[in-house]
Amino acid sequence: DTGVSQDPRHKITKRGQNVTFRCDPISEHNRLYWYRQTLGQGPEFLTYFQNEAQLEKSRLLSDRFSAERPKGSFSTLEIQRTEQGDSAMYLCASSLDRGLSGANVLTFGAGSRLTVL
Amino acid sequence: QKEVEQDPGPLSVPEGAIVSLNCTYSNSAFQYFMWYRQYSRKGPELLMYTYSSGNKEDGRFTAQVDKSSKYISLFIRDSQPSDSATYLCAIEYGAGNNRKLIWGLGTSLAVNP
Repeated sequence: DTGVSQDPRHKITKRGQNVTFRCDPISEHNRLYWYRQTLGQGPEFLTYFQNEAQLEKSRLLSDRFSAERPKGSFSTLEIQRTEQGDSAMYLCASSLDRGLSGANVLTFGAGSRLTVL
Repeated sequence: QKEVEQDPGPLSVPEGAIVSLNCTYSNSAFQYFMWYRQYSRKGPELLMYTYSSGNKEDGRFTAQVDKSSKYISLFIRDSQPSDSATYLCAIEYGAGNNRKLIWGLGTSLAVNP
């Protein structure tokens, strides 16, 4: 397994266009997370999946953002009608849910950098 | 007050120095204390995590937790230029599907040869 893969690594788009990012998690991991990170900030939680179920979505996430994880494998994050404020690094992470015990250790991908002109 | 506070730096040290990176937190229910390292244009990677107060050592890295003061530290001994990165503290609480992970801003470290 090569870890968490994200595609594309960099996307430049014009304001108002739609963009989609893909994440392929570590195969045995049942949890998948999307984060957004801007310069000088820690990762900001967007949403997460347990298998194919989307269990939590940040209140900060507008309706222009949608994420899916069909069949509990790869995931996509779509941003509709992009705005300049959407410019950021979009990070995907996966983990193996250990139930009630043990820390939930995230393995991150390299990220997809979005630039909205 | 933020739940997790971390000085963003930047911190610049000479090669071989001992580096101390710190975070404070406000919620005594926090359970797991993690340190992630993030190189430029890469995703964060876990360095180590601790559960209880005390020290945990892994090679040149030592994580320290003081629950009474709500203070966590990461020490890097014999720092190397390859240690130049942003170091993020992250603290987890809750259980099952209600786990939450709170991140610090990250401290940017430069180790100069």
